[in-house]
Amino acid sequence: NAGVTQTPKFQVLKTGQSMTLQCAQDMNHEYMSWYRQDPGMGLRLIHYSVGAGITDQGEVPNGYNVSRSTTEDFPLRLLSAAPSQTSVYFCASSYQYSSYEQYFGPGTRLTVT
Amino acid sequence: GQQVMQIPQYQHVQEGEDFTTYCNSSTTLSNIQWYKQRPGGHPVFLIQLVKSGEVKKQKRLTFQFGEAKKNSSLHITATQTTDVGTYFCAGRSNQGGKLIFGQGTELSVKP
Repeated sequence: NAGVTQTPKFQVLKTGQSMTLQCAQDMNHEYMSWYRQDPGMGLRLIHYSVGAGITDQGEVPNGYNVSRSTTEDFPLRLLSAAPSQTSVYFCASSYQYSSYEQYFGPGTRLTVT
Repeated sequence: GQQVMQIPQYQHVQEGEDFTTYCNSSTTLSNIQWYKQRPGGHPVFLIQLVKSGEVKKQKRLTFQFGEAKKNSSLHITATQTTDVGTYFCAGRSNQGGKLIFGQGTELSVKP
């Protein structure tokens, strides 16, 4: 099993550009989530999904969209990138809801200039 | 909304000294999880506590969940250089909802 994979590993965007961060898992996990990590702020939940077709907002959802058309994939879309979105983004999955161990992907380091 | 606070933010110790990080929630939790993130890496699950007053051990690591299920701690006995990293707690409210992470405690160990 590959576990949780994320692409790309690094990305530089200009303000106003859009892009999609990819996340996939091959463990048949129902629960998937996106976090951003900033110095001194810990891991903040952006969006999460408890199953295909179901998504909900986390702590910091503004500026991000998600969809979950399959169990395996949970892409994160930045509609119009802003410098405040410069961060490291982690995707995570778990067997069911968040009460189970979460498996994290390797992360995407995003810089918005 | 639910908040999870973690202290201290940084801890520098000499190898062999003990280390403790504390986690406090603004609401009663159904469970609490602990993760470790090595420098440049991703968070890795360590343990989950569910019961009030629960204590679990993993070698030199001791995890506690408070009686009121609003606080938790991680204690490392006789730190080693391999313990270096950031330790996060994450809690889920007993009224449902999301898993919320604390800010993390960054541990550095001087040989």
